[in-house]
Amino acid sequence: AQTVTQSQPEMSVQEAETVTLSCTYDTSENNYYLFWYKQPPSRQMILVIRQEAYKQQNATENRFSVNFQKAAKSFSLKISDSQLGDTAMYFCAFMGASQAGTALIFGKGTTLSVSS
Amino acid sequence: DVKVTQSSRYLVKRTGEKVFLECVQDMDHENMFWYRQDPGLGLRLIYFSYDVKMKEKGDIPEGYSVSREKKERFSLILESASTNQTSMYLCASSLGGVANYGYTFGSGTRLTVV
Repeated sequence: AQTVTQSQPEMSVQEAETVTLSCTYDTSENNYYLFWYKQPPSRQMILVIRQEAYKQQNATENRFSVNFQKAAKSFSLKISDSQLGDTAMYFCAFMGASQAGTALIFGKGTTLSVSS
Repeated sequence: DVKVTQSSRYLVKRTGEKVFLECVQDMDHENMFWYRQDPGLGLRLIYFSYDVKMKEKGDIPEGYSVSREKKERFSLILESASTNQTSMYLCASSLGGVANYGYTFGSGTRLTVV
């Protein structure tokens, strides 16, 4: 069975700094998708970034980028120039590509606090 | 603006009551999901549905059932609510197909069973 592990329950950073959130996963599949979701205090889950396993290039979305290491089964999220609005819980998620519509498997989350 | 709408943001129910949590999406998505979110446990899948009248058990289906009579609506049913079902419930939907672009989530229902 696939599992997703986020080893940092809580992190804190100052505004304008860079922070990296860790995520590792376990799977026997060769093709799959990885996601980072953000859940601010308003509770609305928002997709931050998506990575397809067969693509070597790391995904980027403005200040958010990932370091995808397929052999190591690692998928970390880097947030550059942190802003107060980045304060949220962040979830790493995995989805296998072997079956259409397979459900996402989530990690337990990392609570990120950005302070001024 | 496309949406997944959960009918209640907060809900308080008594032990033993039958509870319905409703979720509606307006994106014509094939797939719909129910998760519960608890501190330190992340999101755990309860049930999901690939199509109308189809349902699949997730990791923690005990004590729950679902209904999907129409494509846009996916209901979670607690047959006899218990205090250990006090939790945040999140509904989500996604397009079908293998090239999956992730989920769109509702805003969640915080259910308290007393």
